[in-house]
Amino acid sequence: GAVVSQHPSRVICKSGTSVKIECRSLDFQATTMFWYRQFPKQSLMLMATSNEGSKATYEQGVEKDKFLINHASLTLSTLTVTSAHPEDSSFYICSARRARDHNEKLFFGSGTQLSVL
Amino acid sequence: KNQVEQSPQSLIILEGKNCTLQCNYTVSPFSNLRWYKQDTGRGPVSLTIMTFSENTKSNGRYTATLDADTKQSSLHITASQLSDSASYICVVSARGYSTLTFGKGTMLLVSP
Repeated sequence: GAVVSQHPSRVICKSGTSVKIECRSLDFQATTMFWYRQFPKQSLMLMATSNEGSKATYEQGVEKDKFLINHASLTLSTLTVTSAHPEDSSFYICSARRARDHNEKLFFGSGTQLSVL
Repeated sequence: KNQVEQSPQSLIILEGKNCTLQCNYTVSPFSNLRWYKQDTGRGPVSLTIMTFSENTKSNGRYTATLDADTKQSSLHITASQLSDSASYICVVSARGYSTLTFGKGTMLLVSP
């Protein structure tokens, strides 16, 4: 089956630093990648949608200058949390979509737990 | 506004028992409905994906049903195991749109 690799799985950083999270589709080309944020015992909240080679589309309330998304190739998207603060601590998950037939296959990464001290 | 409501919010069952989780949605026009299993601290894993024309789909001990007329879906887990303890998320896709609408999930705990 298709695999989406997300790294790192866990990161602890100091307040004010930037953190980069990578999302790779290992055995398929992802036309679209999604980034989510999840707080404890809450559902996934979509942050942004990115298509290869174009600017990401951010959901309302998500600061595009704080959460930088780069989708440079069909197999790699990165999310950079700039000048991280403790309130940015959360579980971040990516997903990649492989268009097939009418039902778009969607595969999730294993998530990144970010803790900002 | 597209919405997905799941019930119950949480559920505790004894190992070996069956259970059914519910999902009601208002997403329109409907494209497909997916059920995911998410272990704590992990990404969601797909269980089933159903289109408008499909009424039921099974994946091992998991059976999903869909009633597109009433906009309801259920996920039935048979002979539960301890490893079934997880959050189960219902996700609905609208035709022609790239975004998905997520339910808040049902937290299932299977007790020995």
